[in-house]
Amino acid sequence: SQQGEEDPQALSIQEGENATMNCSYKTSINNLQWYRQNSGRGLVHLILIRSNEREKHSGRLRVTLDTSKKSSSLLITASRAADTASYFCATDGNNRLAFGKGNQVVVIP
Amino acid sequence: DAGITQSPRHKVTETGTPVTLRCHQTENHRYMYWYRQDPGHGLRLIHYSYGVKDTDKGEVSDGYSVSRSKTEDFLLTLESATSSQTSVYFCAISESWTGDEQYFGPGTRLTVT
Repeated sequence: SQQGEEDPQALSIQEGENATMNCSYKTSINNLQWYRQNSGRGLVHLILIRSNEREKHSGRLRVTLDTSKKSSSLLITASRAADTASYFCATDGNNRLAFGKGNQVVVIP
Repeated sequence: DAGITQSPRHKVTETGTPVTLRCHQTENHRYMYWYRQDPGHGLRLIHYSYGVKDTDKGEVSDGYSVSRSKTEDFLLTLESATSSQTSVYFCAISESWTGDEQYFGPGTRLTVT
């Protein structure tokens, strides 16, 4: 089954800096999604980008999708301490979402 | 937060005992899912439901069964708990199809001793 794989696995940045995470996948998709998980909580949906879209913005989030390279990136601009969390990409296929193992992002105040 | 609750939130049980986890939603969404989350494995789908009494297996369904007798409730049963089933279990819902955005419950931490 296809699965998103995030890179890098862990990222530590200063507050105010930008954070970039990448995700690769193996097969064709209808959409790719990004989720955030704060420690001890459930996942929260951040953004969905469809296969015919190349870029999407939501507040301080920017997602790109390159279907030719089967990859996506999530950019968080002007990071805040509250952005400290794990970030997962998820790809649809075979009637289910396949989640990557997650990127841990620590924003240092 | 989407109206999803899970019960219990924490449970410790012994090997060999049956355990049932409950997921309850107030959103009237058609699809419901059970995942387990383990370090190094990310989120893995156990079972999902696409309507009342309609369920299907995910990638790690062995040792688990589910039931959905009402739109709002999705039960996950560990028929005979094993230590390998120690995990955090998340319920999720989506409105229209399995590739749609999903809304997650707060999770249940299960420890099998």
